[in-house]
Amino acid sequence: DAKTTQPPSMDCAEGRAANLPCNHSTISGNEYVYWYRQIHSQGPQYIIHGLKNNETNEMASLIITEDRKSSTLILPHATLRDTAVYYCIVRDNFGNEKLTFGTGTRLTIIP
Amino acid sequence: DTGVSQDPRHKITKRGQNVTFRCDPISEHNRLYWYRQTLGQGPEFLTYFQNEAQLEKSRLLSDRFSAERPKGSFSTLEIQRTEQGDSAMYLCASSPTGVSYLNYGYTFGSGTRLTVV
Repeated sequence: DAKTTQPPSMDCAEGRAANLPCNHSTISGNEYVYWYRQIHSQGPQYIIHGLKNNETNEMASLIITEDRKSSTLILPHATLRDTAVYYCIVRDNFGNEKLTFGTGTRLTIIP
Repeated sequence: DTGVSQDPRHKITKRGQNVTFRCDPISEHNRLYWYRQTLGQGPEFLTYFQNEAQLEKSRLLSDRFSAERPKGSFSTLEIQRTEQGDSAMYLCASSPTGVSYLNYGYTFGSGTRLTVV
């Protein structure tokens, strides 16, 4: 799996959009970008994933650059409950069943 | 079925003892995964099952670790002769296969926190 690089921590004001960057410059053509988050004392929670098109669901939006070497997870209106560690993961969906987590970005939402 | 259940939530054991953790996946999920997470790190893959078949176990940390899923439903993870370095959170996850997985990814449980004293 391609390696990802994320900032170790970020702050965001409550009610503002939180933009979490991820670099994955060695991503290959069949690898997807996944985002999970982990709230303290819980297991990771799936947020969103994409291949090359931008994606949106009820939790977040995922913007993938045209060259696919980086992406941004956007939480449009951050709340205190969005305080968590966010993991960006790259993996293919064909025969590779494990997720390789890095150390993620610790996002703190400030009241 | 409210999600992936893990039992116990916390376990304190003395060094050298054996411990066993249980995971009950979402009932319609045929894949089940075990991960380990130490403080400040992301989860680390250990092993996974498709139904009752253990399809990858090379990442189990040593021969003291073993996992089973005898009837393709719940799974157990056993650590024999525990060491202080085994202290960690042990996470279980499950997923469907095919298109459903591609839409929703894994569902993780809340984990079992093991402390070896």
